[in-house]
Amino acid sequence: ETGVTQTPRHLVMGMTNKKSLKCEQHLGHNAMYWYKQSAKKPLELMFVYSLEERVENNSVPSRFSPECPNSSHLFLHLHTLQPEDSALYLCASSQDFGDPYNEQFFGPGTRLTVL
Amino acid sequence: GQNIDQPTEMTATEGAIVQINCTYQTSGFNGLFWYQQHAGEAPTFLSYNVLDGLEEKGRFSSFLSRSKGYSYLLLKELQMKDSASYLCAVRDSNYQLIWGAGTKLIIKP
Repeated sequence: ETGVTQTPRHLVMGMTNKKSLKCEQHLGHNAMYWYKQSAKKPLELMFVYSLEERVENNSVPSRFSPECPNSSHLFLHLHTLQPEDSALYLCASSQDFGDPYNEQFFGPGTRLTVL
Repeated sequence: GQNIDQPTEMTATEGAIVQINCTYQTSGFNGLFWYQQHAGEAPTFLSYNVLDGLEEKGRFSSFLSRSKGYSYLLLKELQMKDSASYLCAVRDSNYQLIWGAGTKLIIKP
């Protein structure tokens, strides 16, 4: 148990569906992250929020839309996804963004399958 | 471009020692992390190196040479539960983590 929870753990959706992934951290951290993990590929950073403000958006398609209503919660809204978006989506948090030492604490991930 | 290289898969025997290498080319350097990820689970933090040398933490040690762009993770007295993927990541000048694809370690009895 890392103090970061994600729901749902598994999600199957069609290309026309709209769904949302939820992440919650119970660590009092100020920074939260969304990553995409595909088989045998490096983790891809998608979005970073620091104190509820987005600080990084790494050229992610607009069909992925993040939301950070407060420092404990992070959402990833999904719409009109493609089959190549099937992957494990990991949420992480750290004490602060920009502190070199800060380790990131990861949630268990949502396994997404797009049909 | 930025790049982190580590072997795709390694096999070792229970009770033995294994060294997992990581080489990197990044724009700036603000530390190197090792994480462990069991299948279907979250990555968990193992070690952090920012200065050259060896950091020891129980059965696990991590080494860094900044001039060579090189690190390794050393696992001693291997146990079956050490079967997992080991991820190397470097924090660049923008404080982003650049990740390797991970090394899958298989431990055999």
